[in-house]
Amino acid sequence: DTGVSQDPRHKITKRGQNVTFRCDPISEHNRLYWYRQTLGQGPEFLTYFQNEAQLEKSRLLSDRFSAERPKGSFSTLEIQRTEQGDSAMYLCASSPEGAFFGQGTRLTVV
Amino acid sequence: AQSVTQLDSQVPVFEEAPVELRCNYSSSVSVYLFWYVQYPNQGLQLLLKYLSGSTLVESINGFEAEFNKSQTSFHLRKPSVHISDTAEYFCAVSAGFQKLVFGTGTRLLVSP
Repeated sequence: DTGVSQDPRHKITKRGQNVTFRCDPISEHNRLYWYRQTLGQGPEFLTYFQNEAQLEKSRLLSDRFSAERPKGSFSTLEIQRTEQGDSAMYLCASSPEGAFFGQGTRLTVV
Repeated sequence: AQSVTQLDSQVPVFEEAPVELRCNYSSSVSVYLFWYVQYPNQGLQLLLKYLSGSTLVESINGFEAEFNKSQTSFHLRKPSVHISDTAEYFCAVSAGFQKLVFGTGTRLLVSP
């Protein structure tokens, strides 16, 4: 399978803990995106990389969130000091034409 | 900035009936348009996209959408739906190959 891969698929964590998600994009795609989707809503943009450069961050990305894409390959999204409001599906996508999405990581903060 | 409106939160339809899911967008620049389908607890699957050229685009599973610039619409249609088409459908817009802006989605419910 050469699609976008996300790990883990599900994560349950206690409030205040740190979590990290990984995304492996389609290998030849240089653009990588993170989105967040809450129940009953469409995905909302969080941040975007072209190769290793983080080119745009949404205002949704508070200072507790950080994303990296070392060497322009896989990407990680870390949430520090998780809050219940962080519970959502975190989706990764890669380009170029139209975004191809991974299966997402569902985060539940208890 | 771009925005997308999907007026219908839910569309119930009987199997083998035609369906139209509405999508209107707003943008001050030229845009690319997309339709995605999402099954429960899954990521989004790209159904079809309009980038340029013919305003009528088709998917491999019988869906089609028509870009109408004057009405700023990109409605999704299928002439005959199946039970397996039951899912959430999202319309999205982007200005260039940048971030996608999504609508709130339309739940298509196909019953026998």
